[in-house]
Formats: sequence, structure tokens, C-alpha cells
Amino acid sequence: GAGVSQSPSNKVTEKGKDVELRCDPISGHTALYWYRQRLGQGLEFLIYFQGNSAPDKSGLPSDRFSAERTGESVSTLTIQRTQQEDSAVYLCASSHRTGGREKLFFGSGTQLSVL
Amino acid sequence: AQSVSQHNHHVILSEAASLELGCNYSYGGTVNLFWYVQYPGQHLQLLLKYFSGDPLVKGIKGFEAEFIKSKFSFNLRKPSVQWSDTAEYFCAVNAPYKLIFGTGTRLQVFP
Repeated sequence: GAGVSQSPSNKVTEKGKDVELRCDPISGHTALYWYRQRLGQGLEFLIYFQGNSAPDKSGLPSDRFSAERTGESVSTLTIQRTQQEDSAVYLCASSHRTGGREKLFFGSGTQLSVL
Repeated sequence: AQSVSQHNHHVILSEAASLELGCNYSYGGTVNLFWYVQYPGQHLQLLLKYFSGDPLVKGIKGFEAEFIKSKFSFNLRKPSVQWSDTAEYFCAVNAPYKLIFGTGTRLQVFP
């Protein structure tokens, strides 16, 4: 597709279940970011991939959160044993550099609700 | 479909000039509105947000934005920019089950 695609767009799960969120970046974009936005707050950085490696995992809030990226394309964010405080919009963005400038493109997010 | 438009793709200013970046959205319901900034080599940071109440919102670093519901707009302003304001600026709208970003505005400030 032409843009960053995230699936599912909406996920409702029960506390304690595992969830997997998917991001398809724009083809050729080497950089990929995961952010989340909880209700009433701004974006919170989670993890950054450059290619398949993750040089910056500093934003992952706990060891229940993990992410991987394969083939410099699709990335999955996995949350194990979900808690109610994990409820948020999870946003993926990919970028490329042109003329020394990093240009970000955003998916439309996955709304996660943990009951 | 919901969308966010930032009509200024690239803005070049001298220090001390005033700034206004446009943001328009299309969604008929209740929205939450945000401006984010990405400084070179850094992650996105929240500049300011509007949820309800006073439509004139003040954020960090001297930025402010005004929500005009009738115009579906949330323009970002700063009376006097600095060289350190050079960055990408993104407007975002939080509609039900969606977080939608504009395409961004590149601001370059020259001393």
C-alpha cells in the first residue's frame, strides 16, 4: 500500500491475555518507530528500529513488552499478560531520509482496550 | 474519512519572526487535538494539546495554539522564533479509535 498500515485497528482483550500488534511500514523505509498514547496523555516513545535491529528500546515500559522486525519490513509489537494500564492507541511510524531530513509517515494506530 | 491537513510543508524564517502553522481537520464529532515536534535526531515530543475548555492552549517553549471549532482548525503560533525551533512539526487529531497525523511542516529558522 501507499502508507503505513497497522492492524488490527481496534482490539479488545481481557486482562492477562497476550496481544500482537502489527505494523507494515512504507516499502523502503529503514526506520520504524512504535509509540503509544494513553487517554489524556501525549505520545510515549516505545522502541525504534533501524533495519532489523533495535538500537533504542528504552521506551518499552516493562518486560511484558517486546517488538521485532523482520526483513526490514513488518514489525510486531507483543504485549504479554496485558494489564488495564496497557489500554492505549499504539502508533507505528516509518521514515526515510531525504536531503538530510528525516520524514515521518504515520499509521492510523491500533486502539487497544484491556478489560 | 477523517483527515488532517497541514498546508505549510516548509517554512523558513529568521530569528525573532512570528510563526503560524496551519492545521485543519475533517471530523464532525468531538476530537482531541495535539501538536508534536520532532527535533533533528530525536523522538516526537508533545508541544501542547487541547481536550476541552479554553480554546487557546499554551504549551512548552512559548508555543500556543487556538482551536476554532467552526473552522475545524488548530493553528500553532509562536510570537518570536529561535534558531533552536528548527524542527518538524506535526498536528494530530484523536478521533474515536483513530489517531491521525498531518504530513508535517518543516520549520527552518536562520540566525
